[in-house]
Formats: sequence, C-alpha cells, structure tokens
Amino acid sequence: DIQMTQSPSSLSASVGDRVTITCQASQDISNYLNWYQQKPGKAPKLLIYDASNLETGVPSRFSGSGSGTDFTFTISSLQPEDIATYYCQQYDNPWTFGQGTKVEIK
Amino acid sequence: QVQLVQSGAEVKKPGASVKVSCKASGYTFTSYDINWVRQATGQGLEWMGWMNPNSGNTGYAQKFQGRVTMTRNTSISTAYMELSSLRSEDTAVYYCARAVVTGADYWGQGTLVTVSS
Repeated sequence: DIQMTQSPSSLSASVGDRVTITCQASQDISNYLNWYQQKPGKAPKLLIYDASNLETGVPSRFSGSGSGTDFTFTISSLQPEDIATYYCQQYDNPWTFGQGTKVEIK
Repeated sequence: QVQLVQSGAEVKKPGASVKVSCKASGYTFTSYDINWVRQATGQGLEWMGWMNPNSGNTGYAQKFQGRVTMTRNTSISTAYMELSSLRSEDTAVYYCARAVVTGADYWGQGTLVTVSS
C-alpha cells in the first residue's frame, strides 16, 4: 500500500499567519491527493481535491499544490474557525491517510 | 440534500460482532460507492474498505480481510459494515462516506463502537 507521511504533526500559529502542511507519498500518485479538515467530534470535511482544486463553498484562503510524491496544503491567513486537524489522503486504490496535523492558535 | 445517517453507539464484548448501518438520502444510492473509515480516540483516520451498492462488489483493507463484511439493502438505500471477532483495539468511531472519483464528499455522523469486557 501507498504510505503518506504528513508533517508537522502539530503547529501553533497566530491569527493571520500563513500555515503550511506537507504530505509525501511513498510512490508517485500523480495528483490523486485530497485534503480534509476535521473538527473535534465531527466527520472530516473535504477541502481540496485532485491536489489543488477547492471544493465548492470552501474559503479561498485554503489552497493545495503538488504532484507526484510531494504535496503542500496552505492556509493563507489563519482564522480562529480554522482550528482543526487536517489530513491528506491519497485515493489511488486503496485509500490511505496521512497521520494528521493539529492546528492551534498561538 | 445528501445525507448519510448512521446507527447509534454500540457496546460489545471481546469476540462479538457489530453491524453498523448507514442510510443514504438525497441522491441515487446505487450511483456512488460507500467507503468505511474508522478513527480510534485521539488517533488518525484508517480506511477499512469500499462497497459498490449497485453490484455489491467490495474491496477490503488487508488488515481487515476475513473480519469485515460490507453489504447493502438497495430497497432502503442502506449500507452495512459488520466487523467480527472484536477486540479492544477495535474501539473507535466508524464512519461511512460517499465516494466520488476524487475522494469522499459526504460523510455519516459516525458511530462509536466500544469493545469492553
């Protein structure tokens, strides 16, 4: 199976800061990469699909980039409501998820 | 609107089985695969497998092969995930999710399964 290595495992940033999370696949997955946001006690929510496409209704401060094995997720200006854990997921068969990044406000 | 509504929390003893349901509404149930993902408390997301509601075809993560069965009842637009030979490490929230080509766009609310003697 394809392994996804996500970093950092947690981060603390101030409101308005730029936040970046990386995800590395153990083999080439083209752009078969999604990013999800999960708030405590809630199901994950799809934010970015195909590595760089914003899901409908998701604020434009969220973005994604990359292809092949290296991917990046960015929040351009961190807001209080962005406090959550973020997961990358490759959807080449079968699915696998990164370990998650917990984002907190400093 | 698309909704996936799961059955309620379960408490099971080690060695028992659990069957979680996922009722779909707001779309044609047979048009999208259903995937199951679980999450132990404070841990990450773990994919368990998929089912095609139209054909009934399934695919399971190697870790769960032989212990998990995914089925459906198309007449009531409901998918099921049954996990057998439960052990304490299976204590987790279990999610169903509708799969589009690019991932999971709708998720159920989650079902807590607690395995305890």
